[in-house]
Amino acid sequence: AQSVTQLGSHVSVSEGALVLLRCNYSSSVPPYLFWYVQYPNQGLQLLLKYTSAATLVKGINGFEAEFKKSETSFHLTKPSAHMSDAAEYFCAVSEGSSGSARQLTFGSGTQLTVLP
Amino acid sequence: DGGITQSPKYLFRKEGQNVTLSCEQNLNHDAMYWYRQDPGQGLRLIYYSQIVNDFQKGDIAEGYSVSREKKESFPLTVTSAQKNPTAFYLCASSARDHNSPLHFGNGTRLTVT
Repeated sequence: AQSVTQLGSHVSVSEGALVLLRCNYSSSVPPYLFWYVQYPNQGLQLLLKYTSAATLVKGINGFEAEFKKSETSFHLTKPSAHMSDAAEYFCAVSEGSSGSARQLTFGSGTQLTVLP
Repeated sequence: DGGITQSPKYLFRKEGQNVTLSCEQNLNHDAMYWYRQDPGQGLRLIYYSQIVNDFQKGDIAEGYSVSREKKESFPLTVTSAQKNPTAFYLCASSARDHNSPLHFGNGTRLTVT
């Protein structure tokens, strides 16, 4: 069974500082991993996804994530936070072979606050 | 523009009434999903459908029902049997590949009093 753990339900950074949001996963097969962002009262938008092509994945809005199999991690980073980055971020894992029912499991989310 | 439309944005109902949430997509996706979101609990899967006229229960299906009569539409009914229906409901769709991301609607916030 797959699972996702996001360490830290709330993270605060100063504007211009490094953003690091942690995600660890558990999967019995090579996983597909995703990061989503959610602004208040809106749906989720895809930031980036890992599909085994490259371990360092670049996404939108300057975010990137690195897949580390040995650590079962897929942490999200951004070198310099902007006020507009304040939102909730979700890590998700998908596994399953072709033809099987798709299961996507979400972490509980990390609320990012950016301080002026 | 392709996307997913959920309506209404806000919905208010009295306890004991059934209510149906609409979800329509024009992305030509085979798979559609309903999630429930509560503060601090992330997203929990209610139902999903991989093809027309077929759907499966997710982790918290009790008190909910769905139909998938058309590829574009996947309405969710919150029945009076759902013990705690007040929540934010998100509909999503995707291609069937396991590496395809989900595309989400903007959600419906249901309040039952």
